[in-house]
Amino acid sequence: AAGVIQSPRHLIKEKRETATLKCYPIPRHDTVYWYQQGPGQDPQFLISFYEKMQSDKGSIPDRFSAQQFSDYHSELNMSSLELGDSALYFCASSLEGTSLSGELFFGEGSRLTVL
Amino acid sequence: AQSVTQLDSHVSVSEGTPVLLRCNYSSSYSPSLFWYVQHPNKGLQLLLKYTSAATLVKGINGFEAEFKKSETSFHLTKPSAHMSDAAEYFCVVSDYYNQGGKLIFGQGTELSVKP
Repeated sequence: AAGVIQSPRHLIKEKRETATLKCYPIPRHDTVYWYQQGPGQDPQFLISFYEKMQSDKGSIPDRFSAQQFSDYHSELNMSSLELGDSALYFCASSLEGTSLSGELFFGEGSRLTVL
Repeated sequence: AQSVTQLDSHVSVSEGTPVLLRCNYSSSYSPSLFWYVQHPNKGLQLLLKYTSAATLVKGINGFEAEFKKSETSFHLTKPSAHMSDAAEYFCVVSDYYNQGGKLIFGQGTELSVKP
């Protein structure tokens, strides 16, 4: 079965550079979530989208932005990168009608390293 | 507000012995509860979920968890640990009516399995 696809899997950037992470949800899933997991930390919710509209916002820095496109894939854009942005970024998807159960399907993550 | 507390940051067991990972939750409404597992440098995999049906939930790889409302607990157990169970385990709560499909993660419990 198709899963959530994230790209790139690994990314190395310098401070003050920009980075873009992409997420392709499971087919027919209409909701996408972004989580950030710092080293030794639990995943923290950043932002979510439902039907291409932002549905919820968590601890996402102002330097970050995200959107969901017409094909339901999502991109997380990060600018003015800081060392503290080094983390594993997870994307998850769900189908709105089933999200009552709260089950999300996670991708394998994109590891960002800022030097 | 919804929250999850994992009572042990690290648990070490011997192969073939029982596993107990403890989790307490706080939720103002009927929550959905999950256990996710994360192997090193891997994504998050759903072990099991509770969504107000049977209080004893069976998951993959021989894991199960029991929802105890009176104790606000959702401990994860396995009768006999295997070396491949060594990983980070996250207890997760979701309260759809207050926070949509967003998941709130516990701090994680690292499970070590000794030969």
